[in-house]
Amino acid sequence: AQSVTQPDIHITVSEGASLELRCNYSYGATPYLFWYVQSPGQGLQLLLKYFSGDTLVQGIKGFEAEFKRSQSSFNLRKPSVHWSDAAEYFCAVGVLGSGTYKYIFGTGTRLKVLA
Amino acid sequence: GAGVSQSPSNKVTEKGKDVELRCDPISGHTALYWYRQSLGQGLEFLIYFQGNSAPDKSGLPSDRFSAERTGGSVSTLTIQRTQQEDSAVYLCASSPGSRNEQYFGPGTRLTVT
Repeated sequence: AQSVTQPDIHITVSEGASLELRCNYSYGATPYLFWYVQSPGQGLQLLLKYFSGDTLVQGIKGFEAEFKRSQSSFNLRKPSVHWSDAAEYFCAVGVLGSGTYKYIFGTGTRLKVLA
Repeated sequence: GAGVSQSPSNKVTEKGKDVELRCDPISGHTALYWYRQSLGQGLEFLIYFQGNSAPDKSGLPSDRFSAERTGGSVSTLTIQRTQQEDSAVYLCASSPGSRNEQYFGPGTRLTVT
């Protein structure tokens, strides 16, 4: 069965430090890949997406993600974290099943930023 | 332009009552999704609409849950005979098509007492 794993439930980094959030998926082909961010009391906002092509994807707010087919991973990175990045981050995959695309979300990684 | 809106933003109901949650998608978006987010959990897929039809209802947790979409626009998620385990945030998302990113509403926080 298809699945998405975000192995880190909580991550704490200092402001200005680099960040990497991990995401692994289980699917027989290359899925559509997404990262969303959910700030407190807010809905989810798309950070970036990968459908095909260049495996390094740039997103909003200075985030980037790299698709590694051999590792079934789509890790999110940011070189220098800002206090406003504190939020919950969700990795999601879109997989084709029964003629439609189904979207599976990971359980999220909550990011805390220390001043 | 206007994003996805959901109403009510908060709903407190007594166990056993029925509730209706509403989602107004972005105009022109043909795909609409409902998810449930419980405390500390990820997003649990409930149902997907393409236009007015629901090709994927596989996520509805029981027959107490139903949803409809009329005119290819507004959708209503109905929970009958609510139980305490139904307490969660219900998120709606819309998309130009099933192969695009989703745009999420702010959610409806449902509390069953």
